[in-house]
Amino acid sequence: GAVVSQHPSRVICKSGTSVKIECRSLDFQATTMFWYRQFPKQSLMLMATSNEGSKATYEQGVEKDKFLINHASLTLSTLTVTSAHPEDSSFYICSARVASGGATHEQFFGPGTRLTVL
Amino acid sequence: QKEVEQDPGPLSVPEGAIVSLNCTYSNSAFQYFMWYRQYSRKGPELLMYTYSSGNKEDGRFTAQVDKSSKYISLFIRDSQPSDSATYLCAMSFVHNTDKLIFGTGTRLQVFP
Repeated sequence: GAVVSQHPSRVICKSGTSVKIECRSLDFQATTMFWYRQFPKQSLMLMATSNEGSKATYEQGVEKDKFLINHASLTLSTLTVTSAHPEDSSFYICSARVASGGATHEQFFGPGTRLTVL
Repeated sequence: QKEVEQDPGPLSVPEGAIVSLNCTYSNSAFQYFMWYRQYSRKGPELLMYTYSSGNKEDGRFTAQVDKSSKYISLFIRDSQPSDSATYLCAMSFVHNTDKLIFGTGTRLQVFP
């Protein structure tokens, strides 16, 4: 089956520092990757859609200068949280869609990254 | 009003019980409906998806969509302790859209 990995699985950082999270599709090519954020007891909220080789599309209310997304290859997308603050502490999950297009349900999710900002 | 409403639970049932999980939604334009299972500290995995109204069955799982009532359900028959997880409903507008709208998830506990 399609496998998506994330690294790191857990990160603790000081306020004001930047954190990079990697999302990789291990056994398929993904033209599109998605970044979600999940606060405790809340829904997964889509932050941005990342297309290989082009700029990411951000959802309303998500600061593109704070959450930098790079999708440099068909198997790798990165999310950098710049100048992180305690309110950025959350569970960040990526998903990837197969390169053949596919229907919406063919998104495969990574295991998530738990970010804690002190 | 949230676009998708889901009771967070927790829902606690004995092994072997039939579990009913539900979501309601407000936007009648939703066409695709999904159920995901999420274990603690893991990403969601797709269980079922349904297009428009109707039922779909896969083993012990049955998904139902009632678009007239804007109500979707997931039934789990013969529940097992391994079914203990958070179940999230999700929906989208058209089949090739990128955006999934999720419910908050219902935490299910199946005890032996």
